[in-house]
Amino acid sequence: GENVEQHPSTLSVQEGDSAVIKCTYSDSASNYFPWYKQELGKRPQLIIDIRSNVGEKKDQRIAVTLNKTAKHFSLHITETQPEDSAVYFCAASFSAYAGNMLTFGGGTRLMVKP
Amino acid sequence: ETGVTQTPRHLVMGMTNKKSLKCEQHLGHNAMYWYKQSAKKPLELMFVYSLEERVENNSVPSRFSPECPNSSHLFLHLHTLQPEDSALYLCASSQTVGANTEAFFGQGTRLTVV
Repeated sequence: GENVEQHPSTLSVQEGDSAVIKCTYSDSASNYFPWYKQELGKRPQLIIDIRSNVGEKKDQRIAVTLNKTAKHFSLHITETQPEDSAVYFCAASFSAYAGNMLTFGGGTRLMVKP
Repeated sequence: ETGVTQTPRHLVMGMTNKKSLKCEQHLGHNAMYWYKQSAKKPLELMFVYSLEERVENNSVPSRFSPECPNSSHLFLHLHTLQPEDSALYLCASSQTVGANTEAFFGQGTRLTVV
């Protein structure tokens, strides 16, 4: 089955700096890679996703890159703000006939210091 | 109500009790999921229902029994649980079958087994 590794487990940055979180996956058949943000006591919410036919995707201060050959993908947050503080999860999925069989990474706790 | 709602939000049960978790989605999705979120472990996919049929069971112990009576409702029946089953149980839904789309999560049920 799929295995997703996520690093680092914790990340502390100064407000305004950039943050980068990296994930690797094992199943070359995976073709969908979402990133979820989970604030304390709240549900995980999708912030950005990328499909295997795309190498990079950007949405304002957030970008994701995908290297299919190396089987790794990364989340980049620029100009970090205190409200970016949360736990971020990467995931990988291959969907054939059924729903998203998402395999999640272990999460990264991001702390943005004002 | 909109989105994915879970009840109860918190549950404390003894090891000999029988209880059920409920999930309801108002998004018109056709796939629903149960995830387990434990401290210091990745989100673990437990069950997947697509078009009201179970399509995935990730080697979950039989003390967890899912039920999907229709595309909007999902239950997780619990009996003779162990203390290590204490965790946050998250329900999710997506519009899929043959495609990867965003999975929307509920706020979870915080389960404590005593």
